[in-house]
Amino acid sequence: GENVEQHPSTLSVQEGDSAVIKCTYSDSASNYFPWYKQELGKRPQLIIDIRSNVGEKKDQRIAVTLNKTAKHFSLHITETQPEDSAVYFCAAPTEGGATNKLIFGTGTLLAVQP
Amino acid sequence: DAGVIQSPRHEVTEMGQEVTLRCKPISGHDYLFWYRQTMMRGLELLIYFNNNVPIDDSGMPEDRFSAKMPNASFSTLKIQPSEPRDSAVYFCASSRSQVWGYTFGSGTRLTVV
Repeated sequence: GENVEQHPSTLSVQEGDSAVIKCTYSDSASNYFPWYKQELGKRPQLIIDIRSNVGEKKDQRIAVTLNKTAKHFSLHITETQPEDSAVYFCAAPTEGGATNKLIFGTGTLLAVQP
Repeated sequence: DAGVIQSPRHEVTEMGQEVTLRCKPISGHDYLFWYRQTMMRGLELLIYFNNNVPIDDSGMPEDRFSAKMPNASFSTLKIQPSEPRDSAVYFCASSRSQVWGYTFGSGTRLTVV
């Protein structure tokens, strides 16, 4: 089955700096890689995702890159703001994406210092 | 669209009592997932359904946990008897086949004392 590893577990940056969170996965058949943001006491919410047929996707200040050969993908947040402070989770599908079942990483607590 | 609706938002119960958590998925979503979130173990998949049928319950901790989905708009997760180690936030999520991107409910914070 799929194994997803995420690091770092905590990340502190100054407002305006960039933040990068990395995940590795084990199932070479995985074809979809989402990132979720969870603010304190709230639900995880999808912020960006990427499919295996592209190497990078951007949405304003956030971007995700995918390296299928190395089996890792990363979340990049530029010009960080205090409201970016949250826990971020990566995920990958199991069973080669044959079902909609996702396995989540252990999360990264991002703190943006004003 | 009201999103995925869970109830109750908070539940405090005594050890040994039965607890029932409820979830209404988004209309038209044919996958429903139950996750448990704790500091120690993160987001763990407990069970998921496709078209109301349980597909994979390998994440259910033990026989004290059971889940049902009697129709496309309702699911329950039951713990009987409850134990303090069951204290966690339980999330329900739904999605459509072949369309990724789960939508999570607001979660139920369960405290067993």
